[in-house]
Amino acid sequence: KQEVTQIPAALSVPEGENLVLNCSFTDSAIYNLQWFRQDPGKGLTSLLLIQSSQREQTSGRLNASLDKSSGRSTLYIAASQPGDSATYLCAVRGGTGANNLFFGTGTRLTVIP
Amino acid sequence: DGGITQSPKYLFRKEGQNVTLSCEQNLNHDAMYWYRQDPGQGLRLIYYSQIVNDFQKGDIAEGYSVSREKKESFPLTVTSAQKNPTAFYLCASSIKQGGETQYFGPGTRLLVL
Repeated sequence: KQEVTQIPAALSVPEGENLVLNCSFTDSAIYNLQWFRQDPGKGLTSLLLIQSSQREQTSGRLNASLDKSSGRSTLYIAASQPGDSATYLCAVRGGTGANNLFFGTGTRLTVIP
Repeated sequence: DGGITQSPKYLFRKEGQNVTLSCEQNLNHDAMYWYRQDPGQGLRLIYYSQIVNDFQKGDIAEGYSVSREKKESFPLTVTSAQKNPTAFYLCASSIKQGGETQYFGPGTRLLVL
């Protein structure tokens, strides 16, 4: 069964720093990988989706990379802002495109003004 | 405004009681999903539906039931058979089954009295 791990569980950085969040998965036969943001007590907001054939996706200050063979993805946030403070979740979809998304437990990011 | 709505925001359940969580979407999405989120754990899939009048069990369906009588609506009932119902419940939808970005509602927090 696919297992998704996110390290670290929590991260604090001063405003303006660039940072990297990590996601690893045990089964490299994935259909796609998605990064989400979750604010406390709220639902999830999709940030980036990378198909298995892609290496990276970019949206504004966010860049997500995918190395399927090593079972890893990173989310790079440039010039962090206090408004970036949230929990970031990654999720992978199985290789057949099945409905099940396997989620990591998230990294709680705090950007200190 | 297009989106997914969940109600209520907070729900209290008494011992032996069935409760129903509402999920409505006006995105014209075919597929809908229910997830459960517990502290320190990733989201886990309870049920999903690819099309009206069809639904499938996810990883943790025991103690839950769903219906999909309309495309826009996918209510989740937490039955008295669910012995540990306290959690944050998230509903999501996607254009079609598999491979697509899932869009999430704001969630319902269920507490046991």
